[in-house]
Amino acid sequence: DADVTQTPRNRITKTGKRIMLECSQTKGHDRMYWYRQDPGLGLQLIYYSFDVKDINKGEISDGYSVSRQAQAKFSLSLESAIPNQTALYFCATSDSAARSYNEQFFGPGTRLTVL
Amino acid sequence: GIQVEQSPPDLILQEGANSTLRCNFSDSVNNLQWFHQNPWGQLINLFYIPSGTKQNGRLSATTVATERYSLLYISSSQTTDSGVYFCAVEETGGFKTIFGAGTRLFVKA
Repeated sequence: DADVTQTPRNRITKTGKRIMLECSQTKGHDRMYWYRQDPGLGLQLIYYSFDVKDINKGEISDGYSVSRQAQAKFSLSLESAIPNQTALYFCATSDSAARSYNEQFFGPGTRLTVL
Repeated sequence: GIQVEQSPPDLILQEGANSTLRCNFSDSVNNLQWFHQNPWGQLINLFYIPSGTKQNGRLSATTVATERYSLLYISSSQTTDSGVYFCAVEETGGFKTIFGAGTRLFVKA
């Protein structure tokens, strides 16, 4: 079974709709992250969370919100989707107590298309 | 913030050839990772290497933190090595991981 799972894997939606992407992990890591990847580019950090009560903005948080429901769950919401939010979205986890400090492990990604 | 530059941006190899990918970063870092993104979009951890040298099969990596660069070596390349290779760093004193733009590798049979 995958350690980091994302649902849905693919989603097509229309402008103005509210969308939620979900991430779950069984690695027991305390830190979780949401990234966005535009075609042909690297990943950009949207939000990150160091524990259940900690939420921080990344480089490109405008238009997004997050919720850390439990240590193992971190969801990303687009309140009113727009076409330029069409991208590949990744969830990642890391363990701040690991010897390989903050080594990040990624989920399979969610491909989101906003029409 | 820290800048991460990867070179070359694109690389085409014949199967069996060797290659070196480079990652330069503009400030000191807590950690550095190399990832391979396969043609299906999956990100695969290759190395966690804030300093020193590591090897895993045909791949090896070296980070010289004092000179702010890391190198990824691919030997005897195979078609399955195709994809995009990313370097990602977490700057010292910060909590954000910054990715380079990647090196796109295509290995021809």
